[in-house]
Amino acid sequence: DAGITQSPRHKVTETGTPVTLRCHQTENHRYMYWYRQDPGHGLRLIHYSYGVKDTDKGEVSDGYSVSRSKTEDFLLTLESATSSQTSVYFCAISEFGQQGANTGELFFGEGSRLTVL
Amino acid sequence: QKEVEQDPGPLSVPEGAIVSLNCTYSNSAFQYFMWYRQYSRKGPELLMYTYSSGNKEDGRFTAQVDKSSKYISLFIRDSQPSDSATYLCAMKGNTPLVFGKGTRLSVIA
Repeated sequence: DAGITQSPRHKVTETGTPVTLRCHQTENHRYMYWYRQDPGHGLRLIHYSYGVKDTDKGEVSDGYSVSRSKTEDFLLTLESATSSQTSVYFCAISEFGQQGANTGELFFGEGSRLTVL
Repeated sequence: QKEVEQDPGPLSVPEGAIVSLNCTYSNSAFQYFMWYRQYSRKGPELLMYTYSSGNKEDGRFTAQVDKSSKYISLFIRDSQPSDSATYLCAMKGNTPLVFGKGTRLSVIA
C-alpha cells in the first residue's frame, strides 16, 4: 500500500468553525491532491499541489484553501465550515503530473469523513 | 453533457455471473482509460488501465475501449463476493483525470 496517512479519519464540527485535514505521504511523490466524494457527484478535485509551496485550484475550490510547506505534507483547510462541506475527503498522490501523456495514476488515502452540523 | 457518464447502479448479481460495467464519454481527446475499484470506507485503487482502443485482460477482468463509440467497459468473469465494491471509470488525455460517478456492485454468494 502507498504510504499515505490522512488525519483525522473522522470529524464532527459545527457550522462556522475552522477545520484542517492533513495528508502525509512517505513516497516522496511530487504531486498531491485533495478530492471530495459525494453521492451523485463522484470524486471532485478541490486543490492540488505540484511541489512545495506550489498549488492550484480544482473544480470545487471555493471555501477551501491548501498549503504545502514540506514534500510529505498537504493540508486542506476549511476556514469556516458549512453544511455543504459535509463529505468524505480523499488525499491522493501521483509520481507524474496530470498534464501529460501518462495514466496519471493516483494513489489514494483512506479518506477523512467530515460532518458539519 | 457531462464529460464522463457512468450508471451508478446499484448492480446486484449472483456469484459466478459475468458482470459488465460501462462508461460513456464526450471528449475525443481522451487516450488513457482506467478503472478504479473502491471498497466500502476505503480509498479507490487502480484496477486496470488501457491506452487508446482495444482490449486488455488481467485474470478475471477485461477492459475494453471503443473510441469510435466513446464507450468503455469492464467485464468481470466468474464474479466473487470479494468483487463487491464501487467501480469508477476514469480517463484523460494530456489533461487531469476525469472520473465517472462510480457503479456500486454487489455479488451475492
